Amino acid sequence: EVQLVQSGAEVKKPGESLKISCKGSGYSFTTHWIAWVRQMPGKGLEWMGIIYPGDSDTRYSPSFQGQVTISADKSISTTFLQWSSLKASDTAMYYCARSLEGNFYYYMDVWGKGTTVTVSS
Amino acid sequence: SYELTQPPSVSVSPGQTARITCSGDALPRQYAYWYQQKPGQAPVLVIYKDNERPSGIPERFSGSSSGTTVTLTISGVQAEDEADYYCQSADSSGAYRVFGTGTKVTVL
Repeated sequence: EVQLVQSGAEVKKPGESLKISCKGSGYSFTTHWIAWVRQMPGKGLEWMGIIYPGDSDTRYSPSFQGQVTISADKSISTTFLQWSSLKASDTAMYYCARSLEGNFYYYMDVWGKGTTVTVSS
Repeated sequence: SYELTQPPSVSVSPGQTARITCSGDALPRQYAYWYQQKPGQAPVLVIYKDNERPSGIPERFSGSSSGTTVTLTISGVQAEDEADYYCQSADSSGAYRVFGTGTKVTVL
């Protein structure tokens, strides 16, 4: 069974750093892109970026470029989303999803359950 | 930045047909995809490549495309179909993926 298991909920203060994770299993981790998606409280889905774990090729949405870092460690089949200095506006649910990417098709077929990040003083 | 526009809400009686539209300038050149999200749950893919249904998704879910608008149709709506629905596609260059604004489907 294809699964993406995300790390647990986090509560942080503004200015702190954070790294959350997403571990894949049941498929070839290194040959499938992983996307990260933000959902702020009561709001819609926002595509943040994608990474190809095989070579760590990474692409960011212009809205998130420079705000977060997406990385991967293929030896442990895990991708990461990290912040160097959190803001209250980073409070959201963050999903990872397997992203099928090809000629003229790009979509997310398997999703993790999400990681809640709360940033509050 | 590229945007996909959906109606905020659609209401439908059980057994009737719900249609959710999604509009975007690049849709004639890019496939559309649809996700269902129930409260407190992760999104689930219900339609890919405009009109293909993943295994396990009921036949009452279908997709279509015409010009700059794509449509998700739920035929014979059931109470369990009450959820938020998001379209997704890419900009004309294919560099970025974008989600629609989302539509809340209420089953009366």
